[in-house]
Amino acid sequence: GNSVTQMEGPVTLSEEAFLTINCTYTATGYPSLFWYVQYPGEGLQLLLKATKADDKGSNKGFEATYRKETTSFHLEKGSVQVSDSAVYFCALPLGGSNYKLTFGKGTLLTVNP
Amino acid sequence: EAGVAQSPRYKIIEKRQSVAFWCNPISGHATLYWYQQILGQGPKLLIQFQNNGVVDDSQLPKDRFSAERLKGVDSTLKIQPAKLEDSAVYLCASSLGTVSGYEQYFGPGTRLTVT
Repeated sequence: GNSVTQMEGPVTLSEEAFLTINCTYTATGYPSLFWYVQYPGEGLQLLLKATKADDKGSNKGFEATYRKETTSFHLEKGSVQVSDSAVYFCALPLGGSNYKLTFGKGTLLTVNP
Repeated sequence: EAGVAQSPRYKIIEKRQSVAFWCNPISGHATLYWYQQILGQGPKLLIQFQNNGVVDDSQLPKDRFSAERLKGVDSTLKIQPAKLEDSAVYLCASSLGTVSGYEQYFGPGTRLTVT
């Protein structure tokens, strides 16, 4: 079945640094890909998505490009802020229909002022 | 628009006791999910409902876990009896269950500690 491998954390950066969190996937076909974010004490929320190859998802300054050649969907941000401190999860459909997702293990990002 | 509500937020029980969690999804969302999130891991799907019917419960340990979604709205997840390895955050999520069904909206979760 479909699966995702995510960069191990934690990641600690200074404010305004460049962020990359790696995500690679194994899937049948070309499913939609997602990044979810979990802020401290909260549930997950959708950060961005891409529905087909070469699509770029973007939101709140974060970007991720769906690259089928490398089966990757790396999350990037040019200048992180303290408020970006959270856990980031890469996700894709489990396969088949019924809208089930499988998540990576998550990457904890801490941004220091 | 109100988000997904869950209660309680925290629960501490002893092993072999029972516990129940409640979830109220976003109004109009047909699909409801329960996930288990163990510390340091991503959420793992336990059960998925479409309206008041079960779509997938293949990952639910049915000897101790049960869930229901009466009337296709609220849902409860029960553990009886609890084991130490059940300590986790239990997340409820909902979605429209249509073409945008992968966009799931999560509640804040219930953190369960089994001692």
